[in-house]
Amino acid sequence: NAGVTQTPKFQVLKTGQSMTLQCAQDMNHNSMYWYRQDPGMGLRLIYYSASEGTTDKGEVPNGYNVSRLNKREFSLRLESAAPSQTSVYFCASTGSGTAYTDTQYFGPGTRLTVL
Amino acid sequence: AQSVTQLGSHVSVSEGALVLLRCNYSSSVPPYLFWYVQYPNQGLQLLLKYTSAATLVKGINGFEAEFKKSETSFHLTKPSAHMSDAAEYFCAVSDRAGNMLTFGGGTRLMVKP
Repeated sequence: NAGVTQTPKFQVLKTGQSMTLQCAQDMNHNSMYWYRQDPGMGLRLIYYSASEGTTDKGEVPNGYNVSRLNKREFSLRLESAAPSQTSVYFCASTGSGTAYTDTQYFGPGTRLTVL
Repeated sequence: AQSVTQLGSHVSVSEGALVLLRCNYSSSVPPYLFWYVQYPNQGLQLLLKYTSAATLVKGINGFEAEFKKSETSFHLTKPSAHMSDAAEYFCAVSDRAGNMLTFGGGTRLMVKP
């Protein structure tokens, strides 16, 4: 099993450009998450999907959209990138939909720079 | 609302010395608590978690943490540091009511030879 995979690994954008970060998991997990990691701030939840067909906002959703394409895939879209969105983005998944007990499995991250 | 505070953004220990990484939380309901580790250029992986069973939780790589309700703490310890323990460590709390983890700011552990 590959676990949680993310593409691309690195990306540089200019202000105003758009892009989609892709995430896929092969563990048959119900719930998937998108976080951003900034120095000294830990990880902050952007959006999550408790099950296929549902999405909900997390702590910092502004400037982002998500799509739960199917059970395996959960994408994050930046419609008009801003320098404040320079960050490392992590996708995670968990099995039963109860994140408060289940382990979250993380992808390797996407390092995004917005100039 | 729940929150997590990790005291010390950087901790340095000598190889073989005790590792102590501090985590304090606030939660309006009994929490579930987690420690994750992040090695350079990798994602996070679970070290251990407290889910209201035993208050002393043992994890991977010789780490353990003790839940102390009276102190609202969940400090991570390891008796003897190894060079391979150098990484960033994150404490996280969940309030059982929803689907979200709240992470602390992280502590970078450096191990000196």
